[in-house]
Amino acid sequence: GDSVTQMEGPVTLSEEAFLTINCTYTATGYPSLFWYVQYPGEGLQLLLKATKADDKGSNKGFEATYRKETTSFHLEKGSVQVSDSAVYFCALNFGNEKLTFGTGTRLTIIP
Amino acid sequence: GAGVSQSPRYKVTKRGQDVALRCDPISGHVSLYWYRQALGQGPEFLTYFNYEAQQDKSGLPNDRFSAERPEGSISTLTIQRTEQRDSAMYRCASSLRRRETQYFGPGTRLLVL
Repeated sequence: GDSVTQMEGPVTLSEEAFLTINCTYTATGYPSLFWYVQYPGEGLQLLLKATKADDKGSNKGFEATYRKETTSFHLEKGSVQVSDSAVYFCALNFGNEKLTFGTGTRLTIIP
Repeated sequence: GAGVSQSPRYKVTKRGQDVALRCDPISGHVSLYWYRQALGQGPEFLTYFNYEAQQDKSGLPNDRFSAERPEGSISTLTIQRTEQRDSAMYRCASSLRRRETQYFGPGTRLLVL
């Protein structure tokens, strides 16, 4: 079945460091890809998405590019802030209603 | 505007009791989804409604779990004869139409003793 594999956490970085959180997927076909974020004490929020190969999703300084050849959707940010501390989830769907999530990566940014 | 709301936010119950978890979607959102998230895992799909019709319940783990959305707005997820393994965060999401971005509520954390 379809699945998403995320980089194991937790990840701890200093403020202004470069961030990469890896995400790869297994699916029959070409799904839409998402990154959701959960800030402490809050619900899941959509961070960015891409619906076809080579699309780049971006929001709040975060970017991810849909790579069909490597079945990947890695999340990147050039300079992280303390306020980026959260749990990040990679997810996919096929335009049907069911989102398939990865296990999540906890990110902590140290001042 | 108001986002997706869920109640209660926390529920502690004894094994064997029934529980009902409520989801109030964003006003005007046609589609509503339920997910379950175990500690340290990502959310897993349970069921989905379009208006009042339950379109997919393939993720419900067994017949103790049921969901309804009788008027196409508020939804209730009911777990009968709860077991300790039912302890998890239950998340609800809604979208304006099918196949559009899903917006999540804060979740209900269920603990079965």
